Formats: sequence, C-alpha cells, structure tokens
Amino acid sequence: AQTVTQSQPEMSVQEAETVTLSCTYDTSESDYYLFWYKQPPSRQMILVIRQEAYKQQNATENRFSVNFQKAAKSFSLKISDSQLGDAAMYFCAYRGYNNNDMRFGAGTRLTVKP
Amino acid sequence: EPEVTQTPSHQVTQMGQEVILRCVPISNHLYFYWYRQILGQKVEFLVSFYNNEISEKSEIFDDQFSVERPDGSNFTLKIRSTKLEDSAMYFCASGSLRAGGNEQFFGPGTRLTVL
Repeated sequence: AQTVTQSQPEMSVQEAETVTLSCTYDTSESDYYLFWYKQPPSRQMILVIRQEAYKQQNATENRFSVNFQKAAKSFSLKISDSQLGDAAMYFCAYRGYNNNDMRFGAGTRLTVKP
Repeated sequence: EPEVTQTPSHQVTQMGQEVILRCVPISNHLYFYWYRQILGQKVEFLVSFYNNEISEKSEIFDDQFSVERPDGSNFTLKIRSTKLEDSAMYFCASGSLRAGGNEQFFGPGTRLTVL
C-alpha cells in the first residue's frame, strides 16, 4: 500500500524568508501524481501544486515550487518570500495513475512570524 | 470561479441517528469523492463515485455508509447509524473528465459531531 510521510509536524518561518516542507512516499507504481494541499484554519483544502511523476521538470506555481526526486521518492515543497497568509497545515498527497483515492500525509503545521 | 459547496457546515447528532451530508460538486465534473478527517489526524479517503456508481471505496466505508447522486447536481453521503467515532470533518471533492479526474477540488467540509 502506498504511504505518505511528513516528518515535520511543525515548521516556522520568518515573513519574507524561504521554508521547505518535506514529504516522502512509498510506492511500487511508476506512474502517479503528487500534490501539496493547504488547509488554513477554515479547514478548507486548497490545492497548492501538483506534480506528474512522468515529468522530470519540477512544478512551480508563483512562490511555490517542488523538489521532486523520483528515485528517492521525495517530494518537498519550497515556499519563497513567505507571507502571513501562508500559515496553515500543509498536506502532501499521493495518487496512483489509475486510482481514484488520494493518500495523505499527516500534515505539517506552518507558522509564519512577522 | 466555480467551487464545491457542502451543507450543513456543522451537524450535531445523537449516536444511532442517521445523517445525510450534502455536496454540490462543480457543475461539469463527473468524478466525486468523500474524505474524512478526524480532529488532529490525516485526511482519509472514503469513496469515489463515477457514472452513477461507486468506483472505489476504503475499508472505512462499511455498510453504515452510502452515497447517492439523487438529482444530477447533489452528491450525498449517508451514515445510517452514527457512532461516536464518526465525529470528524467530512470533505466532498470533485474532478473533471478533462483532467481524467486527477485534480480534485475540495469543498469547505461538514463538521459532524456525534454525541
């Protein structure tokens, strides 16, 4: 079974600085998708960024980028120029190419200090 | 921008009662999902639904749970006889055919409290 591990329960960053959230996963599949979701205090799940495993190029969305290392099964999220509104729980998620269910990590709570 | 909506935002019920959680997916989406998140824990997949039938379900989704798309717009999750451990946030999500259902858009969640 696929598992997703986020080893950092909590992280903090100074406003305008850069922070990296770690995620590793375990799978025997070769094709799959990886996601980072943000969950602010409102509890709504918001997609931050996604990566297709067959793409070697790391995904980027404005201040958010990933470091996808397929061989190491690692998928970290980098947030540049952190803003107060980035404070939230961040969940890493895995989804197999032919599957419908997503497997989530336990989450990392990010605090942004002014 | 279209979004997934869920009602109610908070439901309180007595143990043993039936509850129905409602979701309105994004209108052109064809893949529908329910997830739950027990307080302080990770988000867990419950069920996926496509072409008017369940396509996948987790071990959590036992006989107490059912899903339905009664009228072409709503997507409901029914819990027949609630237990204390059913207390959680329940998230509905939907995905488009164009993306192969791979990108899932989540609703704001329904907080279910079972007393």
